[in-house]
Amino acid sequence: DAKTTQPNSMESNEEEPVHLPCNHSTISGTDYIHWYRQLPSQGPEYVIHGLTSNVNNRMASLAIAEDRKSSTLILHRATLRDAAVYYCILRDPNFGNEKLTFGTGTRLTIIP
Amino acid sequence: DAGVTQSPTHLIKTRGQQVTLRCSPKSGHDTVSWYQQALGQGPQFIFQYYEEEERQRGNFPDRFSGHQFPNYSSELNVNALLLGDSALYLCASSQTGNSPLHFGNGTRLTVT
Repeated sequence: DAKTTQPNSMESNEEEPVHLPCNHSTISGTDYIHWYRQLPSQGPEYVIHGLTSNVNNRMASLAIAEDRKSSTLILHRATLRDAAVYYCILRDPNFGNEKLTFGTGTRLTIIP
Repeated sequence: DAGVTQSPTHLIKTRGQQVTLRCSPKSGHDTVSWYQQALGQGPQFIFQYYEEEERQRGNFPDRFSGHQFPNYSSELNVNALLLGDSALYLCASSQTGNSPLHFGNGTRLTVT
């Protein structure tokens, strides 16, 4: 499985944008970049995913580098509810492949 | 619309015993995966079930087994429990393909 590298922890002030980086230099041409987050005492929650182009949804934006070797998850206006561990995961979309390889993620702390 | 539900939420077992954990997938989902999450670590993939068969398996011993029923619900069985099996066990469901996984809030297993 291709590996991702994320900072262990980050802090951000409430109501400010947050940029969470992820490096994936060994990504293959068919790997999608997925982001999940895990709030305290809950299971992981899907945030966003993309292949090559930048993606937006109601939760966040995903900016993907042109060479696809890195990506950034953007939370436009952080709230206290966004405090969680964020996981960047590469996923091969071949049929039947539901395996996600989680690393240790980035623990995001939001400062009121 | 209920999401992924797991039971029980907490469980305490003694070393050498056997345990069964249960999972009901989100409505409309046909694939169930199980993950083990040790304290401070990211979830680790155990196996995936689709059409009542095990389709993928992670690096876990044969003591870990599972089953999927015709209504898509699933069970995880662990035999001959070890202290190291203490963890949060997460169930995730999805529609086969590249759709996001939906996780339950897990079963916290403690082996004494």
